[in-house]
Amino acid sequence: DGGITQSPKYLFRKEGQNVTLSCEQNLNHDAMYWYRQDPGQGLRLIYYSQIVNDFQKGDIAEGYSVSREKKESFPLTVTSAQKNPTAFYLCASSIEKAGGPGDTQYFGPGTRLTVL
Amino acid sequence: AQSVTQLDSHVSVSEGTPVLLRCNYSSSYSPSLFWYVQHPNKGLQLLLKYTSAATLVKGINGFEAEFKKSETSFHLTKPSAHMSDAAEYFCVAPFSSNDYKLSFGAGTTVTVRA
Repeated sequence: DGGITQSPKYLFRKEGQNVTLSCEQNLNHDAMYWYRQDPGQGLRLIYYSQIVNDFQKGDIAEGYSVSREKKESFPLTVTSAQKNPTAFYLCASSIEKAGGPGDTQYFGPGTRLTVL
Repeated sequence: AQSVTQLDSHVSVSEGTPVLLRCNYSSSYSPSLFWYVQHPNKGLQLLLKYTSAATLVKGINGFEAEFKKSETSFHLTKPSAHMSDAAEYFCVAPFSSNDYKLSFGAGTTVTVRA
C-alpha cells in the first residue's frame, strides 16, 4: 500500500525541548517537503529536498532543521529556537525529476504539535 | 512569482445545491493548477489538476474546475453538494515557471447545511 506516513499524529512538547517529526514515503518519489499550517492560514513551506543528502530552506525555516539521508525519509526537528511551534505539520512528496515544475505533491496525514 | 487568491474564505451551501469556489492566479503563463481538499485534522487530498490538456478538468467526488486564461481563473464547482463535502479547499499553483515550490491560496471553508 503506497503512501506517506507521519508519526506521531499528536505530539506534546515542553518549552525548551527539541522534538523530531517523522515522515516516510514508499512512493519512490525524489522530492519531499515540510509545511506548517496555522488556523485560518494556508500552508507555508519550511524545508524541501529534491534529492538525497540535499535540502533547501523554504519560507519559514528559522527554528527548524531537517535531514535527508535516505530517499524515503525526511524527518523534521523543531528546535527550542522556534518561537511559536504549536501548529499542524504536513509532509509531502512528489516525483519531481520526471515531471518538473508543477508536479503533483502528495500529502501525509499530518502531525499536530502542541507546546505546553 | 505566482500568487493565488481564493476569493471566498467561507462558503455555506445547502445539501443538494451547487457549490462554487473561486480562485484567481497571477501568472502570465499557463501554469499547472491544483485543487486540494482537507478534512479536519487530515492531510491534503488532491481533487484535480490542470495541465493544459483540457480547460475543463474533472476530479474526484463529482468536482470539476474550468481554466480560463483570459480571466486568470480556475474556479471549482460541484452540481450537488453532499454533507461529506464540508471541508477546507485549497487552490494551488507552482511558485514560478521553473520552481518546484508551490504557492497556496489561503483556503475556502465549505459548510453544508442539511
